[in-house]
Amino acid sequence: NAGVTQTPKFRVLKTGQSMTLLCAQDMNHEYMYWYRQDPGMGLRLIHYSVGEGTTAKGEVPDGYNVSRLKKQNFLLGLESAAPSQTSVYFCASSYGLADQETQYFGPGTRLLVL
Amino acid sequence: KNEVEQSPQNLTAQEGEFITINCSYSVGISALHWLQQHPGGGIVSLFMLSSGKKKHGRLIATINIQEKHSSLHITASHPRDSAVYICAVRFLGNEKLTFGTGTRLTIIP
Repeated sequence: NAGVTQTPKFRVLKTGQSMTLLCAQDMNHEYMYWYRQDPGMGLRLIHYSVGEGTTAKGEVPDGYNVSRLKKQNFLLGLESAAPSQTSVYFCASSYGLADQETQYFGPGTRLLVL
Repeated sequence: KNEVEQSPQNLTAQEGEFITINCSYSVGISALHWLQQHPGGGIVSLFMLSSGKKKHGRLIATINIQEKHSSLHITASHPRDSAVYICAVRFLGNEKLTFGTGTRLTIIP
């Protein structure tokens, strides 16, 4: 099993450009999450999904959109990138809610917006 | 306000020392997680607990619900234990995890 994979690993964007980050998991998990990690701050939840075809906003959703068309994939989109979105993005998945299930994390995507 | 605080922020110790990392939170929780972030960036879940104590190899996690406090202990520390250790909690009535800022541990040979 590959676990949770993320594509790409690193990307540089110019302000205003768009991009999509792909997260894939092969563990048949229902729940998937997108986090961002910034220096001096804890991981913050951007969006999450409790199953195929569903999405919900997290703590810092502005400027991002997500889609979960297939159970194994969770896409994070930036329609018009801003320097404030420079961060490391982590995808995670779990069988159930955070208080009952371990979350499995992807390796992260480092994004630099110039 | 739902907050998670970890201490210390940074910890440097000699190989073999007993390590303690602390996590305090502000209000009631349904679960607490300890995670390890490797120097390369990958994040691995170490423990999930809601009461008592859990042990895995040289790692021990304890939680005191009344004190709103958890500790992560590492016995016989080794340089490969060098990483950032992150505490995360699910506050009661909240769907998401709230993460601490992490404790950076460096073990010197």
